[in-house]
Amino acid sequence: DAKTTQPNSMESNEEEPVHLPCNHSTISGTDYIHWYRQLPSQGPEYVIHGLTSNVNNRMASLAIAEDRKSSTLILHRATLRDAAVYYCIHPSHQGGKLIFGQGTELSVKP
Amino acid sequence: EAGVTQFPSHSVIEKGQTVTLRCDPISGHDNLYWYRRVMGKEIKFLLHFVKESKQDESGMPNNRFLAERTGGTYSTLKVQPAELEDSGVYFCASSQLKSGQNTGELFFGEGSRLTVL
Repeated sequence: DAKTTQPNSMESNEEEPVHLPCNHSTISGTDYIHWYRQLPSQGPEYVIHGLTSNVNNRMASLAIAEDRKSSTLILHRATLRDAAVYYCIHPSHQGGKLIFGQGTELSVKP
Repeated sequence: EAGVTQFPSHSVIEKGQTVTLRCDPISGHDNLYWYRRVMGKEIKFLLHFVKESKQDESGMPNNRFLAERTGGTYSTLKVQPAELEDSGVYFCASSQLKSGQNTGELFFGEGSRLTVL
């Protein structure tokens, strides 16, 4: 199964940028990198995904290393509502099944 | 547009009883997934339906778990008989991924919390 490595937890101050790292050294050439997050008492929600180029959307940016063995999710201005567990995932080829790791628990201080 | 809905939100049963969890995916989504999170552990894949067919059931823990998706719309996950270690949160997700694709967004429900006493 796919395998990623993330720090267990990170802290941020409100209104400051947050960089959440992820290592995925076993990623194959065609595997996309997905990020999901789980807010307290909710189901996981999609954040962003990418293959080789850096990606931006309304929620976040994704910076992918040139060798694709690591990536960084960037929240440009953290808010209290961004406190969640963030998962870096690369899906299997079997219908997009997601393999969740432990994720990074992000806490945001006012 | 309605998202993925799950019922019940919380169920408390005694060991040995039966529980059935229901998931209504987003309309038009052929793919339906079940996941669960046991206390203190990671979210684990259980199985994947494409329409009414089981595409991948490699994550189903044992034969006490039965998932169905008759008609390719909503799905049920039955646990019979329930054991203490089945307690956790069961998530359902759906997507529009087509065969051979390995990317795309999965939409998750809020989960059904199961407590087995």
